[in-house]
Amino acid sequence: SQQGEEDPQALSIQEGENATMNCSYKTSINNLQWYRQNSGRGLVHLILIRSNEREKHSGRLRVTLDTSKKSSSLLITASRAADTASYFCATDRYGGSQGNLIFGKGTKLSVKP
Amino acid sequence: GAVVSQHPSRVICKSGTSVKIECRSLDFQATTMFWYRQFPKQSLMLMATSNEGSKATYEQGVEKDKFLINHASLTLSTLTVTSAHPEDSSFYICSARAVARVLGNEQFFGPGTRLTVL
Repeated sequence: SQQGEEDPQALSIQEGENATMNCSYKTSINNLQWYRQNSGRGLVHLILIRSNEREKHSGRLRVTLDTSKKSSSLLITASRAADTASYFCATDRYGGSQGNLIFGKGTKLSVKP
Repeated sequence: GAVVSQHPSRVICKSGTSVKIECRSLDFQATTMFWYRQFPKQSLMLMATSNEGSKATYEQGVEKDKFLINHASLTLSTLTVTSAHPEDSSFYICSARAVARVLGNEQFFGPGTRLTVL
């Protein structure tokens, strides 16, 4: 079963605007990761946030994690047309190091030039 | 660094034939490789976990006799879809976890293989 649930399922914005995607999960985690997937392509790892971290930045990306609410958000600032892709959160199923990632359903982001 | 390749990128086959997909870690050794399936407009679903030199661990509902996984070396895992049927048409993605990178549980994903069964 899916661990992560992203919302919104689809998001359409204008270039330059910020895009916020949310992810909720059900069980305890060691970390949560965000991935990007261009249509018909493989996944690109964006950022990992550990369970003892609350916020993390990487370039135009900002990720927050609230373990009490079992939720995370991914913010892309000053979006570009090239950011158009699907974004997935993923958690480690067993909360350990086995590596079994469970992916959310994803948010399809469309950035219009 | 940390590049994972898949071959082929696309394959079209007739119903009843078998198809082999290769997943290679090009510049690192991977003790564990994972195989995922992704249907159109859906998320990735883990099919099996493959550890080098041992039998793969399959997720519930995934037929191990239909999806044969071999992880013979630290840089290669193969997925063979046996007696493929149209419902097996999907996007198959592998990932590899590096030996030296235990912290963070980082996986590196291949570009995927689009399988179409006619």
